[in-house]
Order: sequence, then C-alpha cells, then structure tokens
Amino acid sequence: GAVVSQHPSRVICKSGTSVKIECRSLDFQATTMFWYRQFPKKSLMLMATSNEGSKATYEQGVEKDKFLINHASLTLSTLTVTSAHPEDSSFYICSASRPPGQGGADTQYFGPGTRLTVL
Amino acid sequence: ELKVEQNPLFLSMQEGKNYTIYCNYSTTSDRLYWYRQDPGKSLESLFVLLSNGAVKQEGRLMASLDTKARLSTLHITAAVHDLSATYFCAVDTQGGSEKLVFGKGTKLTVNP
Repeated sequence: GAVVSQHPSRVICKSGTSVKIECRSLDFQATTMFWYRQFPKKSLMLMATSNEGSKATYEQGVEKDKFLINHASLTLSTLTVTSAHPEDSSFYICSASRPPGQGGADTQYFGPGTRLTVL
Repeated sequence: ELKVEQNPLFLSMQEGKNYTIYCNYSTTSDRLYWYRQDPGKSLESLFVLLSNGAVKQEGRLMASLDTKARLSTLHITAAVHDLSATYFCAVDTQGGSEKLVFGKGTKLTVNP
C-alpha cells in the first residue's frame, strides 16, 4: 500500500497566489524527503532535499525564496510555491526513503504527486 | 555532473515480443533504480540494483546492472499490453545519498 501521501492531488490557482503542498510519510519516520518536479512528458528533476529540523538543500537553479520547504516533523514536509506564475505549472512529486529498520527496502517511495496549474 | 541516458525514448512493440531498454550513466555509482510511471500517476518502484552484476526479475521484466560499463538494462519478455507505461532509470548521485538523477524515460507502448 501507499507509504507516502501528498495533498492536494490537484490544485488550480491564480497567478500571484501561493500554494502549499503537503507530503507525509504514512507509517514511518523520514528524516529526509525529496521534492521533484516533472513537466509534461519529461523526466523528474530534483528540486530540493528536505531535512527534518533544518534548512532544505536546494539544487542549482532552484529559487529557495520561491519554493519554500518546511520539514517540521519526521512525517511531514511541505512545499510552498510562492507568488505562483503559469510557468510554475507542473507535476510536483515528493519522495522519502523508508529506513530498513522501519520496513524499508533500499528504495525511495514516491508520493502520488500534485498537479499544479497556475492560471 | 552525473548524466543518465536512456534509450530508446519511445518504444512501440507488439504483444509477445522481447525488447531491451538501456540506461547509461556517466559517473561511478553502484545504486540504480528502475521505476514505472503510468499516465497522470506517480512512480512505482520496480527494481533496486545495488551491486555490480545484480540481476532481478519480476514477471516479464528483468533488470541487470554492470557498474564497470555503467550500464543497466531492463529486458521485457513476451510483452503484454499491461506493460504499456513510461519506464525511468535513476542513479544515486553519491552512493547512498539518495539524491537521484533520472533518465528521460522510455515510453513503451505494447500493441495487441
């Protein structure tokens, strides 16, 4: 069954507004989560690494002031797209590794994704 | 910078046929993953390959890893329509860092 959830699954917003996406590990604790974005018919691009209790680590070219990440607990990371614009429309996917000690299998588990459309 | 290349990017095949998808990567890594993605959906983990020579099979899919050649293959045997999806390989950038670099994906269409 699903081990990582995301909410919302779809969101449509107006240009200039902010949107928060939640990523939860359902039955395990994740000190590290990852945020990816995927454009239509393209591959996944890592945006940032979300670290529980500390600042996120952003990949080169990703604006940290635009994509705010908060990992306030061991089961929740949030991505806030601030002042969204149409070019931010994309499929955002989070992932987390389930430690072997918590039933993990050396692989990342991906959330179901959030489709953001900015009008 | 780690680069991951998949080929082919598009694959159309008939049911019952065999084919192989290739994944090359540019720097040393011994952790390679294969994922499946259906349209509008997230990624489903298929295989985790953690060492040179690793071979794993699940149903009609078999994956292998040659770390010396920096090559992984995903072999499809006697394809069926349900295998139609996009397949991604991904490589761990720093051996256990869990930061993955993905290939561009192979869109597989299996025709009846």
